[in-house]
Formats: sequence, structure tokens, C-alpha cells
Amino acid sequence: QVQLVESGGGVVQPGGSLRLSCSASGFTFSSYGMHWVRQAPGKGLEWMAFIRYDGSNKYYADSVKGRFTISRDNSKNTLYLQMNSLRAEDTAVYYCAKLDPIYDSSGWFDPWGQGTLVTVSS
Amino acid sequence: QPVLTQPTSLSASPGASARFTCTLRSGINVGTYTIYWYQQKPGSLPRYLLRYKSDSDKQQGSGVPSRFSGSKDASTNAGLLLISGLQSEDEADYYCAIWYSSINWVFGGGTKLTVL
Repeated sequence: QVQLVESGGGVVQPGGSLRLSCSASGFTFSSYGMHWVRQAPGKGLEWMAFIRYDGSNKYYADSVKGRFTISRDNSKNTLYLQMNSLRAEDTAVYYCAKLDPIYDSSGWFDPWGQGTLVTVSS
Repeated sequence: QPVLTQPTSLSASPGASARFTCTLRSGINVGTYTIYWYQQKPGSLPRYLLRYKSDSDKQQGSGVPSRFSGSKDASTNAGLLLISGLQSEDEADYYCAIWYSSINWVFGGGTKLTVL
């Protein structure tokens, strides 16, 4: 079945960097756009970044533009999120999600990974 | 003003119906957009429920019961999620979302459903 497994979360100091990974299985990873979405403790969902199935287009939320970089390695079925200049307000659970339908740039997020917690604190 | 506004909470009785609203900011026409709905139960990851643009352009998520449905209210510029025959297992946070300006995805703030 389709599975997404995030890793790379942890505690980092303000101003620090972290790289998250999302390992995909159970579907043709190279045919689907992928997203990162975060959820601060006790708060709602906040879309972060999107990458097209072939990596040709990337979009970012204004809150992370210039600090975060989304990328993918289709040969490894893996999605990444490089996070630089981290701030306390970046503390959240970070989810990766597959975009349906195939080859599209709009659509719905299904499924979601289990999330990885990033804590930015000194 | 946020792009999407949802009430923070909603309460309903078992067996009753619940109506969730997702109001688009003034100037953003609900008729133009597909509204996506997600459910997040406590301690769990979000789950896609359905999408609704019109009665002829809608889709139910895999395994989502037919008692979950979508609609729109053009008079209030809102997308709607309707749940009939409420069950205790429906207690969750419900989020709407749209693909905005073709480069951004936006979530509403979420509505917490209590079934009591």
C-alpha cells in the first residue's frame, strides 16, 4: 500500500539548519507531485512547499520562502525539505503528502505521512 | 483577513447532521474553486475526505462514507461539508483547503467537531 515515512526531525537551535526526508513506497513516486505541510503544537495545518512530479516547478509559502528548499530524488523515491535559518515559530510536526491525481499540480493531499517533529529552541 | 475562514468549533448530537462552513475572503469567488476537505482525529495524521467544485465535479475520498458530502453556498461565498448520521467516531478537526492563485495551497484554520 502507499506509504510515506518522514525522518530527520529533532531539536535545533534558532538560526540552525535541518534536513527532513520523506521515503515513499507503494506507488510510482516519479509520477506524483509532493507537498510538505506543517502543524504547530495545538494549531492548524499550514502548507509549506510543493514540488512537481519531475521537479520542474517548486512553490513555497511566504513564511518559508528563501529559507526552506524542497527537492526530490526520484531514483531514491525520496522527498526532502532543507530548512535553514530556523526560528522558534518553525516548531511543528512536518508532514509530507502525496498530491493526487497523477502528473497534476493541483488536487488533493492523499495520503499523509505520520509526521516528524521539529523543535527550534535554545 | 485570511483566505479561508472556518468556525473554531461545532457541536452536534449523535445521529444528527453537522454543517461545516469554509468562507472565502471577499473578492475570492467560491464558484471558481474546488474546495478540499480533510479530517484529523486527535493524535492522528490528516485524512482526505472529499473535494467539491460543483454537483458535476466532485469526488469522494477512498473509503469515505457517503454520509460525508460537499456543497457550496454562493450567497455566503462558502464551501460546505455536511455530515449526516453523526457518530462518536466523527469527533475530529475538519479542515478545508483550496489551490489558490495556482501557486499556493491554503488551509482554513479548522473546525473542531464535538459529538455529544
